[in-house]
Amino acid sequence: AQSVTQPDIHITVSEGASLELRCNYSYGATPYLFWYVQSPGQGLQLLLKYFSGDTLVQGIKGFEAEFKRSQSSFNLRKPSVHWSDAAEYFCAVGVYNTDKLIFGTGTRLQVFP
Amino acid sequence: DSGVTQTPKHLITATGQRVTLRCSPRSGDLSVYWYQQSLDQGLQFLIQYYNGEERAKGNILERFSAQQFPDLHSELNLSSLELGDSALYFCASSPYRGMNTEAFFGQGTRLTVV
Repeated sequence: AQSVTQPDIHITVSEGASLELRCNYSYGATPYLFWYVQSPGQGLQLLLKYFSGDTLVQGIKGFEAEFKRSQSSFNLRKPSVHWSDAAEYFCAVGVYNTDKLIFGTGTRLQVFP
Repeated sequence: DSGVTQTPKHLITATGQRVTLRCSPRSGDLSVYWYQQSLDQGLQFLIQYYNGEERAKGNILERFSAQQFPDLHSELNLSSLELGDSALYFCASSPYRGMNTEAFFGQGTRLTVV
């Protein structure tokens, strides 16, 4: 069965530091991969998505993610974190030819000044 | 602003009661999805409608039901409420049949059952 694992429940970084949030998926074929962000009291907003092609994907707010088939990973990165990036981040996998989108359990990012 | 509107934003009700959550999708989006977000279960897919027809079901309890109306807005009905139903309920919409391309989320309805 398809699944998404975000091993880090909570990450704390200093403002200006680099960030990497981990995501591993289990799926038999090339999946559609997504990162969503949820700010406090808000709904989920799409940061970026990967369907095919270039394995390094650029998203909004300066985020990028890299698809690594050999590691079944789709880690989210940002070179310099801003205080406004504090939020919960969800990795998700879309199952091809179905309507399903499976979310990971999320990683809560805290940013210290 | 995603363009998806959910009402009410907050709802407090007693066990055993019934509530209705409402979702207006983005203009032109035919698909509506309902998700439940709780601390212990994370984001759980409940149900999807496409252009008025039920298209996919997830972990939706029998006490819960939903529908999508001709104007494409959707309602999620929760009955015989239990304390464990307290959660954030999200609606999302997509212009396509599947949300495995992109979906737009509302801000959610926070349901508290006391």
